[in-house]
Amino acid sequence: AQSVTQLGSHVSVSEGALVLLRCNYSSSVPPYLFWYVQYPNQGLQLLLKYTSAATLVKGINGFEAEFKKSETSFHLTKPSAHMSDAAEYFCAVRAMDSSYKLIFGSGTRLLVRP
Amino acid sequence: TAGITQAPTSQILAAGRSMTLRCTQDMRHNAMYWYRQDLGLGLRLIHYSNTAGTTGKGEVPDGYSVSRANTDDFPLTLASAVPSQTSVYFCASSVTGRVTDTQYFGPGTRLTVL
Repeated sequence: AQSVTQLGSHVSVSEGALVLLRCNYSSSVPPYLFWYVQYPNQGLQLLLKYTSAATLVKGINGFEAEFKKSETSFHLTKPSAHMSDAAEYFCAVRAMDSSYKLIFGSGTRLLVRP
Repeated sequence: TAGITQAPTSQILAAGRSMTLRCTQDMRHNAMYWYRQDLGLGLRLIHYSNTAGTTGKGEVPDGYSVSRANTDDFPLTLASAVPSQTSVYFCASSVTGRVTDTQYFGPGTRLTVL
């Protein structure tokens, strides 16, 4: 069975500080991994995805994530937080069954302090 | 381009009543999905459809039904609502059901069952 675990339901950083949101996956087959962002009262928007082409994936809004097989991790980073980054972030792995559904982590709410 | 539209935006429903949540996409995507979002649980798949005329069950299908009469529409029906179906419901679509495809999400429907 596949799953993802997001460590930390809430992360608080100062504006301009490094953002690090953690995601670990469990998968018996090579995983396809995604990060989505959800702003208040909105749907989910894709930040980036890992599809085995490159281990360092760059996404929108200055975010990037690195796939590390040895650590079963796909952590999301951004060098300098902006106030507009405050949102909820979800890591997900693609299921390898007939649905190809996304299996989501429980989410991490990012707070950015001025 | 509208992308995915969902209606209604929010609804309060008495227990035992039926309701249909509407989802329409204008991207001509073959695959469509219904997820529910509950605090601390991330998003979980209710039903999916890989192409018009076919549907499948997700993780939490009990109490819900879907149909896919055409490419654009994927309504979700609650036959007899119960309070545990209080949630935010998201419709999503992707070009196909391939593992690398991005799933695009609608804005959601907030449903409260009393």
